[in-house]
Order: sequence, then structure tokens, then C-alpha cells
Amino acid sequence: NAGVTQTPKFQVLKTGQSMTLQCAQDMNHNSMYWYRQDPGMGLRLIYYSASEGTTDKGEVPNGYNVSRLNKREFSLRLESAAPSQTSVYFCASSEARRGNQPQHFGDGTRLSIL
Amino acid sequence: AQSVSQHNHHVILSEAASLELGCNYSYGGTVNLFWYVQYPGQHLQLLLKYFSGDPLVKGIKGFEAEFIKSKFSFNLRKPSVQWSDTAEYFCAGFMNSGGYQKVTFGTGTKLQVIP
Repeated sequence: NAGVTQTPKFQVLKTGQSMTLQCAQDMNHNSMYWYRQDPGMGLRLIYYSASEGTTDKGEVPNGYNVSRLNKREFSLRLESAAPSQTSVYFCASSEARRGNQPQHFGDGTRLSIL
Repeated sequence: AQSVSQHNHHVILSEAASLELGCNYSYGGTVNLFWYVQYPGQHLQLLLKYFSGDPLVKGIKGFEAEFIKSKFSFNLRKPSVQWSDTAEYFCAGFMNSGGYQKVTFGTGTKLQVIP
């Protein structure tokens, strides 16, 4: 089972460039999430989608947009990348529409903004 | 506001030592609690979860955690650590407040086990 698949695994961007991070899950999960992980700050939720067709802001949504393309796919877009967005980005999915079920994580995308 | 706190940021142990990592949450209602582990260069994986019932929860790889409601705590324990337990550990909580739909993660504890 693939679980949660993220692409790309690594990316280097210049300030001001745009980029879309892709995420797909094959577990028929309802909820999907995008997090960023920074040293000493744990995981911070950027956006989430409780079900197909809905998206909501998390703790740190500024500078990002998302699309829940269908039940499987949830993409994260940086319209104009900034050095402060250098981070490791994780996509996750969960069976329940509410957040009370374990989340399954992808392998992450390591993004550097120069 | 609901929060999850992990006060140990970096723990160093020798192999065979016992482990206890602290996790506290701030919320007076129903909570679902999780511990995740992230091995170097990998994604987070679920170690164990507490929803209800027996407050002592056993997880994978010999880990267990105890939910103590009076202390708002959910500490992770392992009687004897191995070098392969070197990883970062995250506590997370879902606090059931109706409209609040998200899990909150702690800032993580890095565990280094010395052979």
C-alpha cells in the first residue's frame, strides 16, 4: 500500500517563484491536512480539508493556498515563495471527518527558498 | 485555548535505561490523545492512542502511555530503550469542543540513545 504520497521530495526555489506541492492518498480517507515542520516548533497546521469539497485554514495559512481536487488529492500552492517558507512540508490523511482519528503521514517535501 | 505541551526538548539516555517523556494538555473536556514517532529522515508514525477506557495504553515497540486526567497528562514510557529508539517523539491531542476539528501537536522531544 502506498498510503500517502507526496511529490516532490526536494525542491529549491528562488524568492517570488510559485510552486504546487502534490499529495495523494489511497486509503479512501475523508480528511487531509498540510503541515509544516520547523526546528523547535513541532508541526503547525497550514490548511486542512475535512471532506471532499471543503477546506479550512489552520494555524499558519498566510502565503499558501490549497485545493482538494477530489477525495484522493490535496495540493498546497505557494504563489510567491518567501525565505520564511523554507521548511519540511508534510501531508497527512485521516479516516474521520473530525480530527479524532490517527493521521497517516507522507514522507515530506523538503523545500528551500533562496 | 487548547494546547499540548512537551517540556523535554532533548533527552539523552544510555541503552537499557528507562524512558519517560512528558506530555500535558490544557482542556477540561473530552480528549483523544496520541503519540507519534519520527525516525531520522522519515515521516511521523503512530505509536499509540488513547480514546477512552483503560488509561494505560500499550503501543508498538514496547511503548506505553498513561492518561492521568487529574494531571492533564499523557506521558510516554518504555522500560528499556534501545539505540533504534533514537527519534523525535510528538504528543498530539484532539480536544472535543464541537466546532474544533483539528489535532494539536506538541513541539516534540528529541530522544538520543547512546549505545
